[in-house]
Amino acid sequence: GESVGLHLPTLSVQEGDNSIINCAYSNSASDYFIWYKQESGKGPQFIIDIRSNMDKRQGQRVTVLLNKTVKHLSLQIAATQPGDSAVYFCAENSPKAAGNKLTFGGGTRVLVKP
Amino acid sequence: NAGVTQTPKFRILKIGQSMTLQCAQDMNHNYMYWYRQDPGMGLKLIYYSVGAGITDKGEVPNGYNVSRSTTEDFPLRLELAAPSQTSVYFCASTGRKGWETQYFGPGTRLLVL
Repeated sequence: GESVGLHLPTLSVQEGDNSIINCAYSNSASDYFIWYKQESGKGPQFIIDIRSNMDKRQGQRVTVLLNKTVKHLSLQIAATQPGDSAVYFCAENSPKAAGNKLTFGGGTRVLVKP
Repeated sequence: NAGVTQTPKFRILKIGQSMTLQCAQDMNHNYMYWYRQDPGMGLKLIYYSVGAGITDKGEVPNGYNVSRSTTEDFPLRLELAAPSQTSVYFCASTGRKGWETQYFGPGTRLLVL
């Protein structure tokens, strides 16, 4: 597979435990945030998003928390499974961004131990 | 819908050769993007387009060219390939400005020797 994630921060999690992945963003004007999952050899896949008028949003086994005061975003994965092993990226979008561009974080590699 | 498709999946080029990476989407999206991802790194924007006939440079455009003659297609051209262009290339698209995710293709892995 692709060698994405070799030099990324790594979070090792025991199968069944909860995972928390953190992301700091810099643009206070950003109003839309996304979490992506990238498995080895594949393109980034949308997991969950949140608008700036919310501080929490839940999906299936995933929760995103947004703290605009400290410009911090987190992704919580409940009951982590082997299939959750991947690199996770956060991304932010500002209404003023030319071309509707996203700004991506550096990524965190999650390794699930059986 | 097939979503975002990319061809080829993998290619080896010799230094100085040229090639075109193909990207197509069937979601009628106006916005399309090309990224490169080096091993262990995040995504860097090469070029983007906000609609047919309109393209603009991203963060790392040198050595690349794009065109957008139709809504569906957004090819990326490499002229005079260099080892520094060894990377995985991803195409993405989104339908509107703001509050919508970008949808990514499966990527093209390029090796320049």
